[in-house]
Amino acid sequence: EDQVTQSPEALRLQEGESSSLNCSYTVSGLRGLFWYRQDPGKGPEFLFTLYSAGEEKEKERLKATLTKKESFLHITAPKPEDSATYLCAVQANTNAGKSTFGDGTTLTVKP
Amino acid sequence: DAGVIQSPRHEVTEMGQEVTLRCKPISGHNSLFWYRQTMMRGLELLIYFNNNVPIDDSGMPEDRFSAKMPNASFSTLKIQPSEPRDSAVYFCASSLIGQSPNQPQHFGDGTRLSIL
Repeated sequence: EDQVTQSPEALRLQEGESSSLNCSYTVSGLRGLFWYRQDPGKGPEFLFTLYSAGEEKEKERLKATLTKKESFLHITAPKPEDSATYLCAVQANTNAGKSTFGDGTTLTVKP
Repeated sequence: DAGVIQSPRHEVTEMGQEVTLRCKPISGHNSLFWYRQTMMRGLELLIYFNNNVPIDDSGMPEDRFSAKMPNASFSTLKIQPSEPRDSAVYFCASSLIGQSPNQPQHFGDGTRLSIL
């Protein structure tokens, strides 16, 4: 059974204080790993897809990296508007289309 | 482009009543997913369709839940009879499966359901 574990559950940062969120996964053949951002009262919004170990993707202050067992979402010099819940999900080769989601990390950035 | 559209955004009803949630996926997507999100259990997949056919309904909690996709542009999730423990936010998502590279899911803004 595919599993995704995210840590920490919650993270509070001061504006400008860089940090990383972790997503550990077990999957029977990784088809893709996805990062989403979810704001209160909204649905998850797609950020990145990673396909193979060593791959990196960047968008503004966010950078996602992937190894064979985990992914990191690095946040550089965060701003209050980066406050949200960040969800990680994996898709297995054996079950195209179906994603298994982690429980998310809730990030709060204080000005 | 219009995203995934869900209705209603909020629903408050009494226990025992029938509840119908609606979803319009993104045009051109061939897969549709229904999720339930709660603080205790996170985001749970209930059922997903590919080309309007249910592929995996193993997440549907019990027979009180049913989902249909009569055509490529519309799906419903029905709860009958509803119970207080069904209170949650229900999300619909759509995607294009079978493409390379692998495509993400696009979510609607959800229906917040409260059963009194």
